Amino acid sequence: EIVMTQSPATLSVSPGGRATLSCRASQSIRNNVAWYQQKYGQAPRLLIYGASTRATGIPARFSGSGSGTEFTLSISSLQSEDFAVYYCQQYNDWPQRLTFGGGTKVEIK
Amino acid sequence: DVQLVESGGGLVQAGGSLRLSCTASGLTFTTHWMSWVRQAPGKGLEWVANIKQEGDEKHYVDSVKGRFTISRDNAKKSLYLQMNSLRAEDTAVYYCARDSRSFSGENGFDPWGQGTLVTVSS
Repeated sequence: EIVMTQSPATLSVSPGGRATLSCRASQSIRNNVAWYQQKYGQAPRLLIYGASTRATGIPARFSGSGSGTEFTLSISSLQSEDFAVYYCQQYNDWPQRLTFGGGTKVEIK
Repeated sequence: DVQLVESGGGLVQAGGSLRLSCTASGLTFTTHWMSWVRQAPGKGLEWVANIKQEGDEKHYVDSVKGRFTISRDNAKKSLYLQMNSLRAEDTAVYYCARDSRSFSGENGFDPWGQGTLVTVSS
């Protein structure tokens, strides 16, 4: 099983600031990673797939990068609605053994 | 409106069974794989199972193999999860999600339902 490790667990950022979230895979997964946002009490929402492609309707302040084992989700100019938990997910062995990272909570500083 | 709506959750004793349903509207259902993803209280996301468009290929996370069965009815645009021999550690919100993987390169789970809570008492 491919293990996805996210860091940090919690990130404190001021509104208007920039957040940089990390996700590391236990083995190379090329660019087979997606990112999700989950607000409290809501279902997750797809942000990024293919490591760097924004899903439909996702604002340009969200960007993804990386390949192999190291991936980054960046959120520029944080808005109030961006404070949430973010998860990475790998699909390198799709359709089997799909796994998520443990999540990073982005909170208001 | 694009919607996935789950139902069937509830309180069940350990060792019991429950069947979850998910009905799709406003989106293409028959052309995509579908998945169940769960989230234990206060925890992260865990993919549980998925099923191919025609239902002839299914995959499960190891912890539910032999206990859970995923199925679908394309005519009803519905997805199901039969859960048997339930354990306390199966307590979670269960989401259905469409696998957006396509020939155009899309990937990831999109959209998601609002989830249904399954509580297994020991």
